Amino acid sequence: SQQGEEDPQALSIQEGENATMNCSYKTSINNLQWYRQNSGRGLVHLILIRSNEREKHSGRLRVTLDTSKKSSSLLITASRAADTASYFCATGGSGGYNKLIFGAGTRLAVHP
Amino acid sequence: DTEVTQTPKHLVMGMTNKKSLKCEQHMGHRAMYWYKQKAKKPPELMFVYSYEKLSINESVPSRFSPECPNSSLLNLHLHALQPEDSALYLCASSHGASESYEQYFGPGTRLTVT
Repeated sequence: SQQGEEDPQALSIQEGENATMNCSYKTSINNLQWYRQNSGRGLVHLILIRSNEREKHSGRLRVTLDTSKKSSSLLITASRAADTASYFCATGGSGGYNKLIFGAGTRLAVHP
Repeated sequence: DTEVTQTPKHLVMGMTNKKSLKCEQHMGHRAMYWYKQKAKKPPELMFVYSYEKLSINESVPSRFSPECPNSSLLNLHLHALQPEDSALYLCASSHGASESYEQYFGPGTRLTVT
């Protein structure tokens, strides 16, 4: 079952523009992760934000977390064609195990 | 070495065949995972191994049989699959079996069941 829901489902922008993707989740979390997947291949971890953090940066990536609204956003600044991929948020499961539950994902297309 | 490798990259099998998917990591990670991903859908967890022991089975049909021979290897044995089992099968590993750890994914095996 999906924990996170993302919007938009698809996003098309020009190189140099910023891209914002949103993720909502249903239950309380300890942390939230974002992953990127290029064209049906393996996922790459982008960033992890803990429940006591509100914002985190990594290069051109900025992630925010609002636990009161159960939502997170991923901002990619100055996008490049190489950023074309699907982006997933993922939250941990219960029971002390790293049981990631992924959102539906946003398919980002960056046009040169 | 921060790589998770998976073999084969592609696999076509009939419904009566028996085949195996293989995953390997040399990062010293103690948790390993199998995910199934259908087209345009997110990955769905199938199995979690922690310290070479099966810790989570997400109600996966018995035609999928995981095996963890040692801390670096993870196999998924396939038998009597159905066409709806066609999907991308992803292996991942993490330092420990806690949600605080990022997961490292392999490139996947694209499975087609005919």
